[in-house]
Amino acid sequence: DTEVTQTPKHLVMGMTNKKSLKCEQHMGHRAMYWYKQKAKKPPELMFVYSYEKLSINESVPSRFSPECPNSSLLNLHLHALQPEDSALYLCASSQVPSGASSTDTQYFGPGTRLTVL
Amino acid sequence: SQKIEQNSEALNIQEGKTATLTCNYTNYSPAYLQWYRQDPGRGPVFLLLIRENEKEKRKERLKVTFDTTLKQSLFHITASQPADSATYLCAPGYSSASKIIFGSGTRLSIRP
Repeated sequence: DTEVTQTPKHLVMGMTNKKSLKCEQHMGHRAMYWYKQKAKKPPELMFVYSYEKLSINESVPSRFSPECPNSSLLNLHLHALQPEDSALYLCASSQVPSGASSTDTQYFGPGTRLTVL
Repeated sequence: SQKIEQNSEALNIQEGKTATLTCNYTNYSPAYLQWYRQDPGRGPVFLLLIRENEKEKRKERLKVTFDTTLKQSLFHITASQPADSATYLCAPGYSSASKIIFGSGTRLSIRP
């Protein structure tokens, strides 16, 4: 199974709402990622989890709160977002690179299209 | 600072021709370079990986080259088809890090 699933596909929320995005993979990958993508731009890394621990936070505002409850699941909790946070949010997973010949080829989910009103 | 540039934002070519996309990087010494395809509203899909000690890699109609002296990778699609129309992203990588930085992408359009 090489699939990464994300729910929901679309989400519309107000600036005072609290919502969560969910991501799941069953490839045995121990690295999971959240990206944000605006129109006509490449995906921009937000967070990296390695062995269920947060290893990289790319200076993301605290209104975005990631969580990795186990090796297959990744959540992104959203609170008090701004309209400029509207974007496609992508989850990805990979092996954790370890050693000269290893790579971090990532498998992406279909994304959640988020609109903040 | 590290920089990844893809030659053009958009590339339009005739069906059947070879599409060539360029990825240049500066202030990087990647162990490998990856190419991904992204369709509108979807996540990127991994296509090919080429290591620093490899000059060329092929997969069906796709060919990637990697020149560490020029700090450049070329991505070729031969006998291009309208179904190849998508955005193509390059991403240098290291064996010890789990952090991909994508190039800006090239939006390829193949006209019938």
